[in-house]
Amino acid sequence: DGGITQSPKYLFRKEGQNVTLSCEQNLNHDAMYWYRQDPGQGLRLIYYSQIVNDFQKGDIAEGYSVSREKKESFPLTVTSAQKNPTAFYLCASSTVRGVSYEQYFGPGTRLTVT
Amino acid sequence: EDKVVQSPLSLVVHEGDTVTLNCSYEVTNFRSLLWYKQEKKAPTFLFMLTSSGIEKKSGRLSSILDKKELFSILNITATQTGDSAVYLCADISNFGNEKLTFGTGTRLTIIP
Repeated sequence: DGGITQSPKYLFRKEGQNVTLSCEQNLNHDAMYWYRQDPGQGLRLIYYSQIVNDFQKGDIAEGYSVSREKKESFPLTVTSAQKNPTAFYLCASSTVRGVSYEQYFGPGTRLTVT
Repeated sequence: EDKVVQSPLSLVVHEGDTVTLNCSYEVTNFRSLLWYKQEKKAPTFLFMLTSSGIEKKSGRLSSILDKKELFSILNITATQTGDSAVYLCADISNFGNEKLTFGTGTRLTIIP
């Protein structure tokens, strides 16, 4: 089945540790995105990538890092510099070409940092 | 900076009622507006609106865009408990980077 997978579903970390969230897609999409969602708030864009080996900062990139070494994979690292890392993280992908800009979302990872 | 505002923030209605959710946007070089439904985890796509005044319909859900007033509405008729969710509105601007700007969402609760 085609889709986006994120792992793990739930993640717990101690403050001061870096943590990497996985995102894989087999939809052959060029673009991938990371969003953060906090209670009562909409999705906020952290980073996005339109092509392998290239990515751009979104609206709230501070304290996060990404890599795009393969088309299928776009891992997000939450560093110790991120002041409020506890949140629900969603990965998405879309085809850049064509007229459809629909973004397909993964199931999300809920990160809790104590 | 693009801005998307949704109202109301939350809405509680009885099963069978009709609801209207609102989305206003301020965006440079507007291209499209999208509606998503988020139940527990991943948002699922509902509609994409590009042309003004043309209603998109899917079953009991419909949506329309007013590009002059920078506004969109999502209507749900004969609501069911399965419609309970957060409804998200997002816009895409025409800078070629496919970046979505989301509103805060409307939390809809349907009481049986």
